[in-house]
Amino acid sequence: EDQVTQSPEALRLQEGESSSLNCSYTVSGLRGLFWYRQDPGKGPEFLFTLYSAGEEKEKERLKATLTKKESFLHITAPKPEDSATYLCAVLRKYALNFGKGTSLLVTP
Amino acid sequence: GAGVSQSPSNKVTEKGKDVELRCDPISGHTALYWYRQSLGQGLEFLIYFQGNSAPDKSGLPSDRFSAERTGGSVSTLTIQRTQQEDSAVYLCASSLDGSTDTQYFGPGTRLTVL
Repeated sequence: EDQVTQSPEALRLQEGESSSLNCSYTVSGLRGLFWYRQDPGKGPEFLFTLYSAGEEKEKERLKATLTKKESFLHITAPKPEDSATYLCAVLRKYALNFGKGTSLLVTP
Repeated sequence: GAGVSQSPSNKVTEKGKDVELRCDPISGHTALYWYRQSLGQGLEFLIYFQGNSAPDKSGLPSDRFSAERTGGSVSTLTIQRTQQEDSAVYLCASSLDGSTDTQYFGPGTRLTVL
């Protein structure tokens, strides 16, 4: 059965303090790994899709990487507006199978 | 350029009542999905539509839950005889063709069953 595990559950950073979020997955035949950002009271907002090991994608202060067993979301010099819950999901046939997310708080 | 919209944004109902939740997908998107997000449970898949057909209903938790889609566009999720454990945020997403493309989510409907 597909499993997606995110760590840590919560992360507190000072503004400018870079770090990484982890998403470990087990799936038979990866069809896509997705990263979303979710702000309180809102729906998930799409960030990245990765399809094969070695692939990397960047957007502003965020960079997502993929290996055969895990994905990392690297946050470089974060700002308070990067505070949110970051969700990782693998595509299972039609549906996304989500991890429970990492709640990130960036303080000034 | 409108995104996925959902209504109502909040719904409070009494145990045993029926509720209908509505989703308007992005124009031109043939695939539509319903998910549920409960406290501490994360997001769980409910049902997938391709056009007006639902090839995957595997996530519907019980026969009290049903969904339909008409005109390849608007979808309605109906919960009959609501129970307190149905309280959650119900999220709708759409994608261009339901393959490996990106699913774009709406803002959700927060359902509270008293």
